[in-house]
Amino acid sequence: KAGVTQTPRYLIKTRGQQVTLSCSPISGHRSVSWYQQTPGQGLQFLFEYFSETQRNKGNFPGRFSGRQFSNSRSEMNVSTLELGDSALYLCASIRGGGPNEQFFGPGTRLTVL
Amino acid sequence: AQSVSQHNHHVILSEAASLELGCNYSYGGTVNLFWYVQYPGQHLQLLLKYFSGDPLVKGIKGFEAEFIKSKFSFNLRKPSVQWSDTAEYFCAVNSASGGSYIPTFGRGTSLIVHP
Repeated sequence: KAGVTQTPRYLIKTRGQQVTLSCSPISGHRSVSWYQQTPGQGLQFLFEYFSETQRNKGNFPGRFSGRQFSNSRSEMNVSTLELGDSALYLCASIRGGGPNEQFFGPGTRLTVL
Repeated sequence: AQSVSQHNHHVILSEAASLELGCNYSYGGTVNLFWYVQYPGQHLQLLLKYFSGDPLVKGIKGFEAEFIKSKFSFNLRKPSVQWSDTAEYFCAVNSASGGSYIPTFGRGTSLIVHP
């Protein structure tokens, strides 16, 4: 069974630009969560999507947004990039709809110059 | 808002030493508890989890954790570490009621095991 895939794996952008990251969950998983991982803050929850609906949202500014498609694939978008947005962005999928074990992807390393 | 504290940020051990990593959480309701591990260059993966039942849970690679409800703790243990246990370890908490919840991770503990 294929794991969670994230594209692209690495990205370099400049301040003010916007970026879109993609995540394909494990087949059959309907929930996708996004996290920002930095050395100082650890993993911080961005949002969770279940059946194309945002179900939970962390404490991030509105520049961070996401969506989920009918095939459960998800995208997250960050607009007006800031230097502090440089991080590893992780996607995780969950089988079913409850607070269960999360299966993580390899992440997208975003560097903002 | 719930929070998760991992008291040890960096731990350095020699092979065969015993390991205990602390994890405390603040949520007062019923919780699901997890330990995840991130080996160098690899994805985060589940080490073990607790949902209900026996508070002593066993995971992969000889790890175990004990849920102590009265102390809001879920400490990770391994009697004898190996060099291959070098990794970052994350404790995580979810509300067990599902619905609207925010999964919360600790900041992680970096473990280095010297051969």
